[in-house]
Order: sequence, then structure tokens, then C-alpha cells
Amino acid sequence: GQNIDQPTEMTATEGAIVQINCTYQTSGFNGLFWYQQHAGEAPTFLSYNVLDGLEEKGRFSSFLSRSKGYSYLLLKELQMKDSASYLCAVSLASGGSYIPTFGRGTSLIVHP
Amino acid sequence: GAGVSQSPSNKVTEKGKDVELRCDPISGHTALYWYRQRLGQGLEFLIYFQGNSAPDKSGLPSDRFSAERTGESVSTLTIQRTQQEDSAVYLCASSSKDRDGYGYTFGSGTRLTVV
Repeated sequence: GQNIDQPTEMTATEGAIVQINCTYQTSGFNGLFWYQQHAGEAPTFLSYNVLDGLEEKGRFSSFLSRSKGYSYLLLKELQMKDSASYLCAVSLASGGSYIPTFGRGTSLIVHP
Repeated sequence: GAGVSQSPSNKVTEKGKDVELRCDPISGHTALYWYRQRLGQGLEFLIYFQGNSAPDKSGLPSDRFSAERTGESVSTLTIQRTQQEDSAVYLCASSSKDRDGYGYTFGSGTRLTVV
């Protein structure tokens, strides 16, 4: 089976930096995704890590350690619009295909 | 189309009725996924289609749930004899390559309410 854990809720101040952690215990790991989901909207793709290390994309960075089953999403220079749910998803091998399995999401609240 | 299109956007149905949800993926996307998201919860995998291969139905919660897809086009998710516990947002996603990190594009979902 698979177990993907991330904090339920986090709060941060506008302009600050926040790190959202995700740990997983799975078999057949192929890669890890981060998605952003605003309330009432569809998830939108943020990043994908398949190798260990840090991937930087503007204000957002994502890190992966496969040996530790650990990833984090780093958001810099927080803006009010960053208030959303952040979903960690692990791509798992399933009968020759790869299916993203999602954690429950971290609700980030950015306040002035 | 330009994005993943789902219809209807909202559906209210009476307990015991059947419902059919539609997903129109991005043209050329061979992989298509259905997920369910209950209020305040994460995404729960339901079913996966890849081209003309047999679908992965391992996430369907009961035999009341079924889905079809013809080739690489539209997919329909059918829920028979709906129950209140089926109330959720049903999300569809498509991808051009399920092995690469291009990400999955989601539709806006169908919000199903069973009363």
C-alpha cells in the first residue's frame, strides 16, 4: 500500500518563506508532483521531481530525497494569492502504468 | 480542446437515481484519470485509461461505479443507485505521457450532491 503524509494546515505572513513537507511510504515510486488547488477550483500543476535534489521555478522550489521518502515545497516571497491547498502526489507504478496518488493536501493561509 | 472539459459542472440528484458524468480530455492526450474529492479531503483515485489498453479500475469503490472511454476521446463515469456518501467533486485529468513529468491537466470537476 501507500502512505502519503503532509500537514493539514499551515499559516504564514505575506512576504515570508514557507516550507510544506511531504513524506511517503510506497512501492513502485516513479516521481513526485506538487499541485496547487484554490478553493472550488481544479488542481494546477506546480512541479515534478523524479531525481534527488532541488528544482527551482521562480518563487516555488521543490525538493526530493528518494532514500528518505521525503519532499518539500518551498514558497518564497509569499503573496496573499498563495493561500490555497497544496497537494503532494506520488506517481506509482501499477501494472505497467503510472498513477498519481495524492495526499490529503496542506491548506496554506497567508495573512498580511 | 484547449483544456479538460467536464460536464455538468453541478449535479443534484435524488438518492437511488443513476448519474452520468462526462469528461472531454485535451486532444491527443492518451491517459485519462478520474478522481473523487470529498469536502476537505484529498483526491481519491477511481479509474485510469491509457489508450486502448484495459482500464485500471482498482480505485472504484463499489460495483455501482463504472466508467467507459472510447479510444482516446470522451470518457463517462456512471454511478448507479446513488447514495449520500457519493456526494463529492468528481475530477477528471488527462496527460499526454503518463511516464513523464509533464503533469496532469485537471478539469474543473463535477460537483455531485445526492439528496
